[in-house]
Amino acid sequence: QSVLTQPPSMSAAPGQKVTISCSGSSSNVGYNLVSWYQQFPGTGPKLLIYENSKRPSGIPDRFSGSKSGTSATLGITGLQTGDEADYYCGTWDTSLGAWVFGGGTRLTVL
Amino acid sequence: EVQLLESGGNLVQPGGSLRLTCVASGFSFSNSAMGWVRQAPGKGLEWVSVFSAGGGNVHYADSVQGRFTISRDNSQNTLYLQLNNVRDEDTAVYYCTKARGMVVLTARLHFESWGQGTLVIVSS
Repeated sequence: QSVLTQPPSMSAAPGQKVTISCSGSSSNVGYNLVSWYQQFPGTGPKLLIYENSKRPSGIPDRFSGSKSGTSATLGITGLQTGDEADYYCGTWDTSLGAWVFGGGTRLTVL
Repeated sequence: EVQLLESGGNLVQPGGSLRLTCVASGFSFSNSAMGWVRQAPGKGLEWVSVFSAGGGNVHYADSVQGRFTISRDNSQNTLYLQLNNVRDEDTAVYYCTKARGMVVLTARLHFESWGQGTLVIVSS
């Protein structure tokens, strides 16, 4: 059972928009900055969003992040088949003294 | 271009030891906090450890505290993870990561770059 809760799976059609939620508590999402990672099968993860809403260089603006209270959200617009991947949120948990990841969301674009 | 190349993964018996290595290039390794994250087969990501550029400010997951040791050789641009007294549940792909900044500031921490991973299998 992950400290951060994400929906296990989501699906949407090409061109549509999807939002992936990451629910935590006052000791993690509510207190520290959240980042999001994209992982394709058999490869290492890639940073998509950091500090709640910032995009690293090279990440298209179709990807966005936001945070409100103890929940964070990853938004993806103009879905492409190439966006099919696993998505993870993560942050530091001040009470645990540890970094925590969400359980991951498998996104299907069909 | 940032490159992180892990090696050292292998089959190891329960209770045994193993050292993982990550050779870094394309950035100032000696000025970068670094860490390890693992992923059991078919499972999600699990953070293992992170520490600052100078080797201080070390953090471990409870699941590995006292058994795993993170270290670095800044002269060789190399990160290590020593695994001792391994257990079945340590079976995973281990990813080397470049963390934000020089010093681990937990409130702002994130993992900027990742390697492709090295597989550790714990089995008798």
